[in-house]
Amino acid sequence: KAGVTQTPRYLIKTRGQQVTLSCSPISGHRSVSWYQQTPGQGLQFLFEYFSETQRNKGNFPGRFSGRQFSNSRSEMNVSTLELGDSALYLCASSVVPLGQHEQYFGPGTRLTVT
Amino acid sequence: EDQVTQSPEALRLQEGESSSLNCSYTVSGLRGLFWYRQDPGKGPEFLFTLYSAGEEKEKERLKATLTKKESFLHITAPKPEDSATYLCAVQADNDMRFGAGTRLTVKP
Repeated sequence: KAGVTQTPRYLIKTRGQQVTLSCSPISGHRSVSWYQQTPGQGLQFLFEYFSETQRNKGNFPGRFSGRQFSNSRSEMNVSTLELGDSALYLCASSVVPLGQHEQYFGPGTRLTVT
Repeated sequence: EDQVTQSPEALRLQEGESSSLNCSYTVSGLRGLFWYRQDPGKGPEFLFTLYSAGEEKEKERLKATLTKKESFLHITAPKPEDSATYLCAVQADNDMRFGAGTRLTVKP
């Protein structure tokens, strides 16, 4: 069974630009969550989608948004990039909504903002 | 405010030297506590889920326990391949909150 895949794996953007990251969950998983990981703040929850609906949202500004498609694939968008957005962005999938079952993480997208 | 604190930040063990990692939490409406292992450059790998105080789970050399205020990850006779960062996370009402992790190094 294929794991969670994320594309691209590495990305370099300039301050002020926007970026879209993609996540394909494990087949049959309907929940996709996004996280930001930095050395200073650790792993922080961004939001969760289940069956195309955002169920939970962390404490991040509105520049961070996401969506989920009918095939459960999810995208995350960050607009007006700031230097502080440089991080490893991880997505995780689960069979059921967040917290009710284990999550499986992808390898992450390493975003560098210059 | 919901908080998850892991200790120690770093732990160095000799191969075969058993120890425990701690995860203390203050959250309202705990729905689950999760342990993950993360290797450098990779996403976290799921280890255990605990839902209620008194619950215990085991997998190979690892055993996770849960009380009302904290969880322990016990490592028995660790091997060098157990070296990684161990993360705990707590599912509260609206989000998943992670601790900063314990970086474990097991020397042969």
